Amino acid sequence: NAGVTQTPKFQVLKTGQSMTLQCAQDMNHNSMYWYRQDPGMGLRLIYYSASEGTTDKGEVPNGYNVSRLNKREFSLRLESAAPSQTSVYFCASSDVLSNQPQHFGDGTRLSIL
Amino acid sequence: LAKTTQPISMDSYEGQEVNITCSHNNIATNDYITWYQQFPSQGPRFIIQGYKTKVTNEVASLFIPADRKSSTLSLPRVSLSDTAVYYCLAWGNTGFQKLVFGTGTRLLVSP
Repeated sequence: NAGVTQTPKFQVLKTGQSMTLQCAQDMNHNSMYWYRQDPGMGLRLIYYSASEGTTDKGEVPNGYNVSRLNKREFSLRLESAAPSQTSVYFCASSDVLSNQPQHFGDGTRLSIL
Repeated sequence: LAKTTQPISMDSYEGQEVNITCSHNNIATNDYITWYQQFPSQGPRFIIQGYKTKVTNEVASLFIPADRKSSTLSLPRVSLSDTAVYYCLAWGNTGFQKLVFGTGTRLLVSP
């Protein structure tokens, strides 16, 4: 059981480049999330998708876009990467309607030069 | 979603019981309390979740008083491998946009 899978695990970009981070879950969860975690900090919610076909902004959405491609997949796109977006990005999923906790992937470490 | 407050760090020794308390004064009626563990370079891992009173599983216990304004994660007989950051989250199935983990409690277990 793979749980939540994120690709890639590492990426280095130059300022201004674009990139899409991929996330897929195999637990049939209805809700999916994207977080970023800066060094020594907690996780901050970027975007979430409460259910297939819906997406909403979290605490720090500026500079990002998301797509809930289907129930399994939720992607995060950086249209024009900036050094301030250097971070570790985590995807999570949950079955919120039954109050189940979130399950996290192992993250994508992104550096923007 | 209730804002949570935890100690920044705690130290312990192998074999001891560790109790980490989280304050969530503004917890809503429908909110659950969930604790996660995070190791370096890994995503947070679910430990335990509860709504009220006491919950126990194979790795931890969660104590929640009647007013639910705080909760205590109890780790029995910690080992070196329990060195990690522990996050408390009070959440419900509304208010997703305020889903904030905070800085967590950094637990260091020494021999």
